[in-house]
Amino acid sequence: GNSVTQMEGPVTLSEEAFLTINCTYTATGYPSLFWYVQYPGEGLQLLLKATKADDKGSNKGFEATYRKETTSFHLEKGSVQVSDSAVYFCARYAGGTSYGKLTFGQGTILTVHP
Amino acid sequence: NAGVTQTPKFQVLKTGQSMTLQCAQDMNHNSMYWYRQDPGMGLRLIYYSASEGTTDKGEVPNGYNVSRLNKREFSLRLESAAPSQTSVYFCASKGGVNTGELFFGEGSRLTVL
Repeated sequence: GNSVTQMEGPVTLSEEAFLTINCTYTATGYPSLFWYVQYPGEGLQLLLKATKADDKGSNKGFEATYRKETTSFHLEKGSVQVSDSAVYFCARYAGGTSYGKLTFGQGTILTVHP
Repeated sequence: NAGVTQTPKFQVLKTGQSMTLQCAQDMNHNSMYWYRQDPGMGLRLIYYSASEGTTDKGEVPNGYNVSRLNKREFSLRLESAAPSQTSVYFCASKGGVNTGELFFGEGSRLTVL
């Protein structure tokens, strides 16, 4: 079936540290891949996306590259800020007859300290 | 810009009580969804509505019913609440046919005692 696996959290970093959150997905079909972010007390919002192999999504200093050979879509940021503290979700969308049903990973809590 | 609006934001119920979570979107989107979020489980799809007049089960539909009242509104009903339904519920909508970009409401935190 379709699944997404994220690295276990929580992740705690100091400001300006480098961030990586790992995500792998099942390779069935040709999925689009997403990272969503949930700030405290809010709903999820789209952070970035990639629709085909080797695409790089980027936004707000975050990047992720669609790696078909390793079925991965790891999220990276070179220098995190306190305001990046949130829950990050990797997601997979298969398209076609799935009517927009996303499959989400379990989420990774990120806390950034000053 | 209201986007997706959910009510109520918080609710406490006793086991066996019923309630309805309301959701409305003002983006003229065709598809709407209800998810629940539980610690360590990510988001799990309860029900979805691909378009006005249609609804379908997701991963975890047991104990829930939905109504797509019109294009704007999609409600989730718990007929007889159970403690296992304690969760945060999110409504979402999607505009395009073949896109994975969802727009989420702020969530409704439900506690069943």
